[in-house]
Amino acid sequence: AQTVTQSQPEMSVQEAETVTLSCTYDTSENNYYLFWYKQPPSRQMILVIRQEAYKQQNATENRFSVNFQKAAKSFSLKISDSQLGDTAMYFCAFSTGTASKLTFGTGTRLQVTL
Amino acid sequence: EAGVAQSPRYKIIEKRQSVAFWCNPISGHATLYWYQQILGQGPKLLIQFQNNGVVDDSQLPKDRFSAERLKGVDSTLKIQPAKLEDSAVYLCASSSRTGVPYEQYFGPGTRLTVT
Repeated sequence: AQTVTQSQPEMSVQEAETVTLSCTYDTSENNYYLFWYKQPPSRQMILVIRQEAYKQQNATENRFSVNFQKAAKSFSLKISDSQLGDTAMYFCAFSTGTASKLTFGTGTRLQVTL
Repeated sequence: EAGVAQSPRYKIIEKRQSVAFWCNPISGHATLYWYQQILGQGPKLLIQFQNNGVVDDSQLPKDRFSAERLKGVDSTLKIQPAKLEDSAVYLCASSSRTGVPYEQYFGPGTRLTVT
């Protein structure tokens, strides 16, 4: 069974600063996919960024980038130039493939302040 | 493109009562998921459908929860009878085998409070 661990329940960052959210996972699979989902207050969950385990290059999406360390089973999210709209719960998630269920961590609540 | 629709958005019931949730996935999405998100936790899969067949229901408490996806489109999730620990947000998601792979699109969820 796969497990996903997010060890930071809450984090705070000032607007325009950079913040890194941590995630570790455990699996015996060799091919899998990792995700970061954002859940704003009272709004639906949306995908932030996705990483395929067979790709060595770290994924980037505008201000969002990941540091994927396969051997260490680590998958952190870096948010650059933080904006007030980044305030949300962030969930790290794992999947073994197409149309497979997501296994989520417990989430990190990020607060962006002025 | 319309997103995943869910109703109702909020529901308050007493324990031992019954409740049903409805989900309409994105048009053309063959895979539909129901997740339970208890306060302070990440979502946990309850059941996964591929078209109108069940792929995974290993975490579904079958003594009280049931779900169906008739005609491979809409889906309903039912709880009968409800317990206090069923208080949670019930999320529906859908995904496609074409287009952007591996991405699940989530609905707004139904917040259930059992008193």
